[in-house]
Amino acid sequence: GIQVEQSPPDLILQEGANSTLRCNFSDSVNNLQWFHQNPWGQLINLFYIPSGTKQNGRLSATTVATERYSLLYISSSQTTDSGVYFCAVGSSGGSNYKLTFGKGTLLTVNP
Amino acid sequence: DTAVSQTPKYLVTQMGNDKSIKCEQNLGHDTMYWYKQDSKKFLKIMFSYNNKELIINETVPNRFSPKSPDKAHLNLHINSLELGDSAVYFCASSQVQGDGYTFGSGTRLTVV
Repeated sequence: GIQVEQSPPDLILQEGANSTLRCNFSDSVNNLQWFHQNPWGQLINLFYIPSGTKQNGRLSATTVATERYSLLYISSSQTTDSGVYFCAVGSSGGSNYKLTFGKGTLLTVNP
Repeated sequence: DTAVSQTPKYLVTQMGNDKSIKCEQNLGHDTMYWYKQDSKKFLKIMFSYNNKELIINETVPNRFSPKSPDKAHLNLHINSLELGDSAVYFCASSQVQGDGYTFGSGTRLTVV
């Protein structure tokens, strides 16, 4: 099946700093989503972005499908950005009804 | 007004018992899912349903039996619970195949 690798596994920032999280995948995809799992365990969908670039406030994401990677940018980080960020993909050659998740990036934003 | 709601939020039970987790979505989505998150936070698909029909059964032991009475509900029944079943179980839904997912808040199952 498709492999999803996220980097870095852990990231510690001071409030106000910017960061870039990366997601590499091993096959062509027709679905790519970024999620934030907050410290209370809730999974929030940030972006549905199988290709192109999207922005939502301080967050933006870019997927370069031909090169099999996606980037999540967090600008002016806040303590509420802490948590685990997951990239999840749906393989073009696989079922449309499942996502394969990466292992996540644990982000800690200190005040 | 919760979009995807799961009950219960916490479940502590003894080995060998049978338990159910309920999930309901009010988003009008066609597809619903169960995902399992293990102690290392790894998320893995268990089941997918589209319009009440089972689409994906990802090599889950047959002690786990999902049921979808209508497209707004997807319940998970687990027989003969084992210690290894301890995890957080997430329900999710999406509008069309391959669209953005909305997750429920999760059910933390602890088998003792």
